[in-house]
Amino acid sequence: QVQLVQSGGGLVKPGGSLRLSCAASGNVFGEYFMSWIRQAPGKGLEWIAHISSGGSTIDYADSMKGRFTISRDNANQLLFLEMNSLRVEDTAVYYCARGGAFDIWGQGTMVTVSS
Amino acid sequence: SFELTQPLSVSVALGQTARIPCGGSNIGSKDVHWYQQQPGQAPVLVIYRNTNRPSGIPERFSGSNSANTATLTISRAQVGDEADYYCHVWAGNIEVFGGGTTLTVL
Repeated sequence: QVQLVQSGGGLVKPGGSLRLSCAASGNVFGEYFMSWIRQAPGKGLEWIAHISSGGSTIDYADSMKGRFTISRDNANQLLFLEMNSLRVEDTAVYYCARGGAFDIWGQGTMVTVSS
Repeated sequence: SFELTQPLSVSVALGQTARIPCGGSNIGSKDVHWYQQQPGQAPVLVIYRNTNRPSGIPERFSGSNSANTATLTISRAQVGDEADYYCHVWAGNIEVFGGGTTLTVL
């Protein structure tokens, strides 16, 4: 059964950077679009970005452009989110998810931006 | 930008039918997906492409989509169905979520 296992969250100061990873099990990672989604405490789901199966198509939510970068390594079945110039309001649980309909989700990783 | 509108909360009596709407301009022309999120857990896909149930999702969960409203219907509601529910569409080159609806089973 395919699973997505996330790592890389934690506490970071405003203006800092963080890189999140999402490791897929199974052999079909390279066939799917992948997305990052976040959820601020007590709030709803917010889509961040997605990347096509081969990496040629990347789209971001307008509010995430310029500070966040999505990438993937199909050979090692890894998805990444590079986050720069982090703000207090970026504090959230971050999820990776598979496909156009997000049929499989990672367990989530907490990112806390605080001085 | 495309927006999806959901009521903040919906209540249903135990064993009755709950309907959770998701409004959007001409949403009937798009594929709508629905997620259930229990407290402290990752969301789970319960309906994809308007009407389809993933394996393992009870038949009590169904979906419809027409004109400006998509609807998630939960028949014979159980206490375990209490959760937050989100609709989602792909709108051009971006993905959009509704604001989420909290379902309470009375």
